Amino acid sequence: GNSVTQMEGPVTLSEEAFLTINCTYTATGYPSLFWYVQYPGEGLQLLLKATKADDKGSNKGFEATYRKETTSFHLEKGSVQVSDSAVYFCALSGGSGGYNKLIFGAGTRLAVHP
Amino acid sequence: DSGVTQTPKHLITATGQRVTLRCSPRSGDLSVYWYQQSLDQGLQFLIQYYNGEERAKGNILERFSAQQFPDLHSELNLSSLELGDSALYFCASSVWGADTQYFGPGTRLTVL
Repeated sequence: GNSVTQMEGPVTLSEEAFLTINCTYTATGYPSLFWYVQYPGEGLQLLLKATKADDKGSNKGFEATYRKETTSFHLEKGSVQVSDSAVYFCALSGGSGGYNKLIFGAGTRLAVHP
Repeated sequence: DSGVTQTPKHLITATGQRVTLRCSPRSGDLSVYWYQQSLDQGLQFLIQYYNGEERAKGNILERFSAQQFPDLHSELNLSSLELGDSALYFCASSVWGADTQYFGPGTRLTVL
């Protein structure tokens, strides 16, 4: 079945450092890929998405490119801020499974220090 | 603010009890999804409703059930609660056929 694997955390960075959180997926067909973010004590917020190969999703300085050849959707940000501290989830939906559910990775906790 | 609302925000109850979690989708969204977030299982899809009808089922226990009402709000009923049911329960909504789901703030259930 479809699945998502993302790097284990926590990831600890200093403010203004470069961020990469790796995400790979297994899916049949052509799923849509997402990054959701969960700030402390809050629900899930959609951060960005990409719906086909080579698409780049971007939002709030974060970017991720849908790479079908490597089945990856790595999240990057050039300069993180303390306010980016949160848990980041990679997810997929669709493909041959249909858009009935999101399949999430385990989440990666990011801590950014001043 | 996603436009999806969930009540209550917190719920504390005892083993063996039954609780009901409520969700109101974004205006115009006919699909509602329920997810469970726990430390050991992560985020897991439970069930989906579209315009009052069940459309997809995930890892939902037989002790759990859900429904969607004519006004499109949904309720998740959890019965014979066990300690392991303690988790954060999220509701999400979308338009039919859309790949993007919008999440509510969640209900944190604690079973003592």
